[in-house]
Amino acid sequence: EDKVVQSPLSLVVHEGDTVTLNCSYEVTNFRSLLWYKQEKKAPTFLFMLTSSGIEKKSGRLSSILDKKELSSILNITATQTGDSAIYLCAVDTGGYQKVTFGTGTKLQVIP
Amino acid sequence: GAVVSQHPSRVICKSGTSVKIECRSLDFQATTMFWYRQFPKQSLMLMATSNEGSKATYEQGVEKDKFLINHASLTLSTLTVTSAHPEDSSFYICSSGTGSQPQHFGDGTRLSIL
Repeated sequence: EDKVVQSPLSLVVHEGDTVTLNCSYEVTNFRSLLWYKQEKKAPTFLFMLTSSGIEKKSGRLSSILDKKELSSILNITATQTGDSAIYLCAVDTGGYQKVTFGTGTKLQVIP
Repeated sequence: GAVVSQHPSRVICKSGTSVKIECRSLDFQATTMFWYRQFPKQSLMLMATSNEGSKATYEQGVEKDKFLINHASLTLSTLTVTSAHPEDSSFYICSSGTGSQPQHFGDGTRLSIL
């Protein structure tokens, strides 16, 4: 059974802190790893990672994949209260983009 | 702008009612759409894969007679929760994607059964 595990489950930080969210996976067929941010409604796409060691960056967010370790990290620097959300990691195992989601990390940024 | 549209966003109804949720791809043809359910403080759980023109594929533990899926066109999939009960109350989300692009999600439907 495909499995995606995220850690920590929840995190509280102060504005300006840097956070690192972790995602590890065990799947039979790996195509890509995706990060999403979920606030009150449906998840919004952040990154798609397919190659090991290549950092993807968008503003204060960045992510990298380690296929040897079967893991990925999502970094957020200089956190803001607007970063408060649940961050979901998902692995696309192929077959019409069927993805398996991790448990999510709930991030709370306090002023 | 949104590429996947989901309606309604909120449903409150009595126990025993059947509820239909629609998911539309707005600017692409979706041969496959996915339906997820999310309980409070939990992650998204895939319920079923909706295939245009053929039967949906349900995940283990999901009752196909309870959650009817119809994907009659390349832009529309519907999920009908039949004879809904309070334990069916949840957040239902659809998604779709094309080729190598990541999935896009609808805004979700919050279903509350009284």
